Amino acid sequence: DTAVSQTPKYLVTQMGNDKSIKCEQNLGHDTMYWYKQDSKKFLKIMFSYNNKELIINETVPNRFSPKSPDKAHLNLHINSLELGDSAVYFCASSQLPKRLLAGSYNEQFFGPGTRLTVL
Amino acid sequence: TQLLEQSPQFLSIQEGENLTVYCNSSSVFSSLQWYRQEPGEGPVLLVTVVTGGEVKKLKRLTFQFGDARKDSSLHITAAQTGDTGLYLCAGGRSGGSNYKLTFGKGTLLTVNP
Repeated sequence: DTAVSQTPKYLVTQMGNDKSIKCEQNLGHDTMYWYKQDSKKFLKIMFSYNNKELIINETVPNRFSPKSPDKAHLNLHINSLELGDSAVYFCASSQLPKRLLAGSYNEQFFGPGTRLTVL
Repeated sequence: TQLLEQSPQFLSIQEGENLTVYCNSSSVFSSLQWYRQEPGEGPVLLVTVVTGGEVKKLKRLTFQFGDARKDSSLHITAAQTGDTGLYLCAGGRSGGSNYKLTFGKGTLLTVNP
Protein backbone atom coordinates (compact mmCIF):
# COMPACT_ATOMS: atom_id res chain seq x y z
CA ASP A 1 0.00 0.00 0.00
CA THR A 2 2.75 2.43 -0.92
CA ALA A 3 1.40 5.99 -0.90
CA VAL A 4 3.98 7.62 -3.21
CA SER A 5 6.11 5.31 -5.32
CA GLN A 6 8.99 6.02 -7.67
CA THR A 7 10.80 3.90 -10.22
CA PRO A 8 13.59 3.14 -10.54
CA LYS A 9 15.17 3.30 -7.09
CA TYR A 10 18.66 3.49 -8.59
CA LEU A 11 19.69 4.74 -12.01
CA VAL A 12 23.27 4.62 -13.27
CA THR A 13 23.91 5.97 -16.74
CA GLN A 14 26.45 7.56 -19.01
CA MET A 15 26.77 11.27 -19.69
CA GLY A 16 24.71 12.34 -22.69
CA ASN A 17 22.01 9.70 -22.29
CA ASP A 18 18.29 10.41 -21.88
CA LYS A 19 16.44 8.87 -18.93
CA SER A 20 13.04 8.98 -17.23
CA ILE A 21 11.89 8.60 -13.64
CA LYS A 22 8.30 7.70 -12.90
CA CYS A 23 6.17 8.66 -9.92
CA GLU A 24 2.73 7.54 -8.85
CA GLN A 25 0.61 8.42 -5.82
CA ASN A 26 -2.48 6.57 -4.61
CA LEU A 27 -3.49 9.15 -2.01
CA GLY A 28 -5.96 10.95 -4.24
CA HIS A 29 -3.92 14.15 -3.96
CA ASP A 30 -4.27 17.01 -6.42
CA THR A 31 -0.70 18.30 -6.37
CA MET A 32 2.60 16.55 -7.13
CA TYR A 33 6.20 17.75 -6.97
CA TRP A 34 9.72 16.91 -8.05
CA TYR A 35 12.63 17.76 -5.77
CA LYS A 36 16.38 17.37 -6.20
CA GLN A 37 18.50 16.57 -3.14
CA ASP A 38 22.18 17.19 -3.60
CA SER A 39 25.13 15.60 -1.83
CA LYS A 40 24.80 18.14 0.98
CA LYS A 41 21.21 17.00 1.54
CA PHE A 42 19.68 20.29 0.42
CA LEU A 43 16.17 19.65 -0.89
CA LYS A 44 15.33 21.94 -3.79
CA ILE A 45 11.96 22.19 -5.55
CA MET A 46 12.06 21.70 -9.31
CA PHE A 47 8.48 21.40 -10.54
CA SER A 48 4.94 21.10 -9.30
CA TYR A 49 1.71 20.10 -11.01
CA ASN A 50 -1.83 20.61 -9.78
CA ASN A 51 -4.38 18.44 -11.59
CA LYS A 52 -2.04 18.03 -14.57
CA GLU A 53 -1.35 21.77 -14.75
CA LEU A 54 2.20 23.08 -14.23
CA ILE A 55 2.18 25.52 -11.30
CA ILE A 56 5.81 25.66 -10.19
CA ASN A 57 8.73 25.73 -12.59
CA GLU A 58 11.94 26.70 -10.84
CA THR A 59 15.16 27.66 -12.55
CA VAL A 60 15.88 24.23 -13.97
CA PRO A 61 17.68 23.49 -17.27
CA ASN A 62 15.22 22.79 -20.05
CA ARG A 63 16.82 19.36 -20.40
CA PHE A 64 14.43 18.47 -17.57
CA SER A 65 10.83 18.00 -18.69
CA PRO A 66 8.06 16.90 -16.36
CA LYS A 67 4.93 15.23 -17.68
CA SER A 68 1.69 14.57 -15.84
CA PRO A 69 -0.62 12.22 -17.78
CA ASP A 70 -3.16 12.34 -14.92
CA LYS A 71 -3.23 13.74 -11.41
CA ALA A 72 -1.89 10.48 -9.91
CA HIS A 73 1.27 10.44 -12.04
CA LEU A 74 4.15 12.84 -12.51
CA ASN A 75 7.11 11.68 -14.56
CA LEU A 76 10.45 13.37 -15.05
CA HIS A 77 12.39 13.07 -18.30
CA ILE A 78 15.97 14.23 -18.49
CA ASN A 79 17.77 14.74 -21.80
CA SER A 80 21.53 14.81 -22.39
CA LEU A 81 22.45 13.89 -18.83
CA GLU A 82 25.40 15.72 -17.27
CA LEU A 83 27.66 14.84 -14.34
CA GLY A 84 26.04 17.58 -12.25
CA ASP A 85 22.66 15.90 -12.56
CA SER A 86 23.83 13.19 -10.16
CA ALA A 87 21.62 13.47 -7.08
CA VAL A 88 18.65 11.90 -5.38
CA TYR A 89 15.34 12.92 -6.95
CA PHE A 90 12.21 12.87 -4.81
CA CYS A 91 8.63 12.92 -5.89
CA ALA A 92 6.03 14.22 -3.43
CA SER A 93 2.31 14.88 -3.33
CA SER A 94 -0.05 16.97 -1.25
CA GLN A 95 -3.76 17.60 -1.08
CA LEU A 96 -4.20 21.21 -2.08
CA PRO A 97 -7.05 22.88 -3.93
CA LYS A 98 -6.31 25.01 -6.99
CA ARG A 99 -6.93 28.11 -4.94
CA LEU A 100 -5.09 27.90 -1.66
CA LEU A 101 -7.47 28.81 1.13
CA ALA A 102 -6.60 30.21 4.52
CA GLY A 103 -6.17 27.24 6.79
CA SER A 104 -4.89 24.89 4.10
CA TYR A 105 -1.39 23.63 4.73
CA ASN A 106 0.99 22.12 2.25
CA GLU A 107 1.71 18.84 4.05
CA GLN A 108 3.70 16.76 1.63
CA PHE A 109 4.15 13.02 1.30
CA PHE A 110 7.42 11.95 -0.27
CA GLY A 111 8.41 8.95 -2.33
CA PRO A 112 11.48 6.85 -1.47
CA GLY A 113 13.70 8.70 -3.94
CA THR A 114 15.63 7.78 -7.08
CA ARG A 115 19.40 7.93 -6.81
CA LEU A 116 20.73 9.04 -10.19
CA THR A 117 24.42 8.57 -10.92
CA VAL A 118 25.82 9.99 -14.14
CA LEU A 119 29.22 8.60 -15.14
CA THR B 1 13.91 34.94 -1.39
CA GLN B 2 12.66 33.32 1.78
CA LEU B 3 15.40 31.41 3.56
CA LEU B 4 15.27 29.04 6.48
CA GLU B 5 18.49 28.60 8.42
CA GLN B 6 18.86 25.47 10.50
CA SER B 7 21.35 24.94 13.29
CA PRO B 8 23.33 23.04 14.11
CA GLN B 9 24.09 21.45 10.77
CA PHE B 10 25.49 18.31 12.43
CA LEU B 11 24.83 16.93 15.90
CA SER B 12 26.29 13.77 17.43
CA ILE B 13 25.16 12.82 20.92
CA GLN B 14 24.91 9.85 23.25
CA GLU B 15 21.70 7.97 23.88
CA GLY B 16 19.76 9.53 26.75
CA GLU B 17 20.90 13.09 26.13
CA ASN B 18 18.59 15.99 25.30
CA LEU B 19 18.99 18.20 22.26
CA THR B 20 17.44 21.18 20.49
CA VAL B 21 17.47 21.99 16.80
CA TYR B 22 16.68 25.49 15.56
CA CYS B 23 15.07 26.82 12.41
CA ASN B 24 15.24 30.58 11.81
CA SER B 25 14.11 33.00 9.15
CA SER B 26 13.69 36.71 8.59
CA SER B 27 10.37 35.98 6.85
CA VAL B 28 6.98 35.19 8.31
CA PHE B 29 5.44 31.84 7.48
CA SER B 30 1.81 30.82 7.91
CA SER B 31 2.89 27.29 8.79
CA LEU B 32 6.08 25.53 9.74
CA GLN B 33 6.63 21.84 9.26
CA TRP B 34 9.24 19.42 10.52
CA TYR B 35 10.22 16.35 8.56
CA ARG B 36 12.59 13.48 9.40
CA GLN B 37 14.51 11.69 6.69
CA GLU B 38 16.23 8.37 7.30
CA PRO B 39 19.03 7.10 5.04
CA GLY B 40 17.77 5.83 1.70
CA GLU B 41 14.24 7.11 2.27
CA GLY B 42 12.16 10.18 1.62
CA PRO B 43 11.32 12.81 4.25
CA VAL B 44 8.38 11.97 6.52
CA LEU B 45 6.23 14.70 8.03
CA LEU B 46 6.42 14.85 11.83
CA VAL B 47 4.34 17.91 12.65
CA THR B 48 2.80 21.14 11.35
CA VAL B 49 2.61 24.24 13.59
CA VAL B 50 0.51 27.18 12.48
CA THR B 51 -0.09 29.57 15.39
CA GLY B 52 2.55 31.92 16.81
CA GLY B 53 3.75 30.51 20.13
CA GLU B 54 2.20 27.11 19.45
CA VAL B 55 3.76 24.09 21.13
CA LYS B 56 3.13 20.54 19.97
CA LYS B 57 4.38 17.33 21.52
CA LEU B 58 4.96 14.02 19.81
CA LYS B 59 6.12 11.57 22.50
CA ARG B 60 9.67 12.74 23.34
CA LEU B 61 9.68 15.43 20.65
CA THR B 62 8.51 18.98 21.40
CA PHE B 63 7.98 21.47 18.60
CA GLN B 64 7.53 25.19 19.06
CA PHE B 65 6.61 27.93 16.62
CA GLY B 66 7.96 31.38 17.46
CA ASP B 67 5.56 34.13 18.49
CA ALA B 68 6.31 36.08 15.30
CA ARG B 69 6.08 32.91 13.16
CA LYS B 70 9.62 33.39 11.87
CA ASP B 71 11.35 30.62 13.79
CA SER B 72 10.81 27.20 15.25
CA SER B 73 12.58 24.71 17.46
CA LEU B 74 12.56 20.96 17.90
CA HIS B 75 13.54 19.57 21.28
CA ILE B 76 14.16 15.87 21.82
CA THR B 77 14.23 14.49 25.35
CA ALA B 78 16.25 11.37 26.20
CA ALA B 79 17.33 10.73 22.62
CA GLN B 80 17.31 7.17 21.32
CA THR B 81 19.30 5.60 18.48
CA GLY B 82 16.06 5.44 16.50
CA ASP B 83 15.98 9.25 16.46
CA THR B 84 19.01 9.27 14.15
CA GLY B 85 18.24 10.98 10.87
CA LEU B 86 18.12 14.25 8.94
CA TYR B 87 15.67 16.75 10.40
CA LEU B 88 14.27 19.29 7.95
CA CYS B 89 12.13 22.30 8.68
CA ALA B 90 9.93 23.74 5.94
CA GLY B 91 7.96 26.97 5.83
CA GLY B 92 4.72 27.36 3.95
CA ARG B 93 2.34 30.11 2.98
CA SER B 94 -1.40 29.80 2.63
CA GLY B 95 -3.62 31.91 0.48
CA GLY B 96 -2.89 33.03 -3.05
CA SER B 97 -1.32 30.48 -5.33
CA ASN B 98 2.00 29.77 -3.70
CA TYR B 99 2.31 26.00 -3.43
CA LYS B 100 5.99 26.10 -2.62
CA LEU B 101 7.50 24.95 0.66
CA THR B 102 10.80 26.55 1.62
CA PHE B 103 13.08 23.92 3.13
CA GLY B 104 15.99 24.47 5.49
CA LYS B 105 19.26 22.70 4.80
CA GLY B 106 18.68 20.19 7.55
CA THR B 107 20.27 19.00 10.78
CA LEU B 108 21.93 15.60 10.62
CA LEU B 109 21.45 13.97 14.02
CA THR B 110 23.40 10.90 15.09
CA VAL B 111 22.48 9.26 18.37
CA ASN B 112 25.17 6.86 19.53
CA PRO B 113 24.41 3.86 21.77
